[in-house]
Amino acid sequence: GAVVSQHPSRVICKSGTSVKIECRSLDFQATTMFWYRQFPKQSLMLMATSNEGSKATYEQGVEKDKFLINHASLTLSTLTVTSAHPEDSSFYICSARDLASTSGGGVNEQFFGPGTRLTVL
Amino acid sequence: GDSVTQMEGPVTLSEEAFLTINCTYTATGYPSLFWYVQYPGEGLQLLLKATKADDKGSNKGFEATYRKETTSFHLEKGSVQVSDSAVYFCALRSGGSYIPTFGRGTSLIVHP
Repeated sequence: GAVVSQHPSRVICKSGTSVKIECRSLDFQATTMFWYRQFPKQSLMLMATSNEGSKATYEQGVEKDKFLINHASLTLSTLTVTSAHPEDSSFYICSARDLASTSGGGVNEQFFGPGTRLTVL
Repeated sequence: GDSVTQMEGPVTLSEEAFLTINCTYTATGYPSLFWYVQYPGEGLQLLLKATKADDKGSNKGFEATYRKETTSFHLEKGSVQVSDSAVYFCALRSGGSYIPTFGRGTSLIVHP
C-alpha cells in the first residue's frame, strides 16, 4: 500500500520556539493532505486540510497563525507550530489522499503517517 | 454531528483468547464504517471496512458486521496473537466525504 512518512518522529523544544513537521507521500502523489492532532486517550481531531498549491482549510477553533501549513509539492506538506507553548504538546498525525486508490463508494482512500510526538517544555 | 463511541481500554487478553471491541456510531444517512489499527511507532492502517448495512468486513482474522439497527460495528477475532497488540480505531465516513470521524481508540495488549 501507499506509504506516508513524517519527520521528525519525536521533538522536544523550549517554549516560544517554532517547530516544523514534515509529511511526505513516498510512492504516490497527494494533492490533498490532512493534519490531525491526537491527545492522550482521545480520538484524532482534524486540524486542517492542506491543498497543493493553495491555502490550507482550517477546522473551526484551529488558529491558522499558530499552525502554519504549506503544501508546496504533490509529495510534501509541512506543519509549523509557531511560538510553541506547553499546551501545544501533542501527537500530530498527517494523512494523504491517494487519487489512484478508491474505497467503497468511489471515495479516495487516506493513508496515515506514523505521527510526530511534540513536547514543549 | 457524526460521532463514534468505542469501549475504553486497555483490553488485556492472553494469546488465543477471543476478542471483541465494541463500537457504536451516530450519523446522518448511511455512513461507511471502518476499523483502523495503529501498531507501536507506526501510522494508522486500514484494517477492514463495510459500506452498507449487513456487510461484513474481514481481514487478518478480524471481522466486523455493519449493524444498522443497533448502529454498531463491533470488531471481533476468534484467537488473538501477541502481534495483534496495538491501538484500534473505529471510524465512519458520511456521504461523499473523505474525512473520517474517529473514535478514541482502544488499546489491545495480548500476553503470551
